[in-house]
Amino acid sequence: DTAVSQTPKYLVTQMGNDKSIKCEQNLGHDTMYWYKQDSKKFLKIMFSYNNKELIINETVPNRFSPKSPDKAHLNLHINSLELGDSAVYFCASSRRGGVDTQYFGPGTRLTVL
Amino acid sequence: QKEVEQNSGPLSVPEGAIASLNCTYSDRGSQSFFWYRQYSGKSPELIMFIYSNGDKEDGRFTAQLNKASQYVSLLIRDSQPSDSATYLCAVSGSARQLTFGSGTQLTVLP
Repeated sequence: DTAVSQTPKYLVTQMGNDKSIKCEQNLGHDTMYWYKQDSKKFLKIMFSYNNKELIINETVPNRFSPKSPDKAHLNLHINSLELGDSAVYFCASSRRGGVDTQYFGPGTRLTVL
Repeated sequence: QKEVEQNSGPLSVPEGAIASLNCTYSDRGSQSFFWYRQYSGKSPELIMFIYSNGDKEDGRFTAQLNKASQYVSLLIRDSQPSDSATYLCAVSGSARQLTFGSGTQLTVLP
């Protein structure tokens, strides 16, 4: 069984569209994260949720809205997509907050045309 | 100043050699230190974590931490071509948030 899963794996869309990425973890972890990895491979945290509560909200355009229906799921909705949103988005989870090992999902490669 | 700095490389070593990867961090309150490996097109996977000053060994991998110098390193002994990947240093600072370095690309030449 996959520990942290994401769907879709690839997402190609036009500028201005709205899209969602879903993430699920079956590790029983309390904390989940969204990261963005740009073309230079720099991995930057976007959001962190602990037991459905938003903990970290880095400087991210408000077009990005996370939603955690329960502690095993963390979805990312993006409105009005822009060219600069093209990147790989990784979901991750950890048992507790940032002091614990984070386990990453396979990533979603988003391409905005 | 970047919070977590790594030499971006690329770093090339011959097969069987020791690869040395270095990382410095700025937050003196940092408590946890992680090394992740990322193959091209894949997600980061944990290699090692270290919390205390000194060395921690796991197979061919050794993590070294020096909190006074704010320095953490990863040594890979008997490097193999399968070790060719980008290695990411990650530090959990006083804000209990993981900050990643930009990664060092390692190539092990057969």
